Amino acid sequence: DIQMTQSPSSLSTSVGDRVTITCRASQSISSYLNWYQQKPGKAPKLLIYAASSLQNGVPSRFSGSESGTDFTLTISSLQPEDFATYYCQQSYTTPLTFGGGTRVEIK
Amino acid sequence: QVQLVQSGAEVKEPGASVKFSCRASGYTFTSYVMHWVRQAPGQRFEWMGWINPGNGDRKYSQKFQGRVIVTRDTSASTAYMELSSLRSEDTAVYYCARGYSSGIDYWGQGTLVTVSS
Repeated sequence: DIQMTQSPSSLSTSVGDRVTITCRASQSISSYLNWYQQKPGKAPKLLIYAASSLQNGVPSRFSGSESGTDFTLTISSLQPEDFATYYCQQSYTTPLTFGGGTRVEIK
Repeated sequence: QVQLVQSGAEVKEPGASVKFSCRASGYTFTSYVMHWVRQAPGQRFEWMGWINPGNGDRKYSQKFQGRVIVTRDTSASTAYMELSSLRSEDTAVYYCARGYSSGIDYWGQGTLVTVSS
C-alpha cells in the first residue's frame, strides 16, 4: 500500500497567517493527490484535486503544488472558517490511502 | 446538487452484521463509482472498497476481503455496503463517497456504527 505521511499533525495559527501543510507519498503517485477539509461532525470537503486544481466553489486562497512525491497545500491568508482538519489522499491506486491529518487551531 | 444521503446510526453486538445504504441524487448514479471509507476514533481514513453502479464491478480492500459486500440498486440510485463479523475495532463512522477519475469529490454525511456488547 502507498503510505501518505502528512505534516505537521497540528498547528496553532492566527487569522491572516499563511499556512503550509505537506504530504509525502511513499512512491510515485503522479499527480493523483487530493486535499480535503473536515470540520467536526461533518464529512470531508474536496478542496484541491490532481495536486493543484481548485475544486469549484473553493476560495482562491487555497492552492496546491507538487514536487516529485512531495505535495503541499497552502492557505494564503487564513480565515476564521478555515480552522479545521486537513487531509491528503492519493488516488493513484487502490487501496486509496490518506494522510494522518493536520489540525489547524486558533492560536 | 450532488447529494449522498446515508442511513442512520447503528449499535451492534460483536459478531453481528450491519448493512449501510447510500442514496444518491443530483447526478447520474450509474456514471460514477461509489467508494466506501471509514474513520475510526483517532484513526486515519480507511478505504474499504468501491462499486461501479453502471456495470456492477466491485473491488475490496484486502483488509476487509471476505467481510464486506457492496451492492447497488440502480432503480433506487442507492448503494449498499454490508460488513459482517463485527468486532469492537469496527466502531467507526462509515462514509459513502462518489468517485471519479481523480479520486473522490462528494461524501455522504456518514453513519456511526458502535460495536459493543
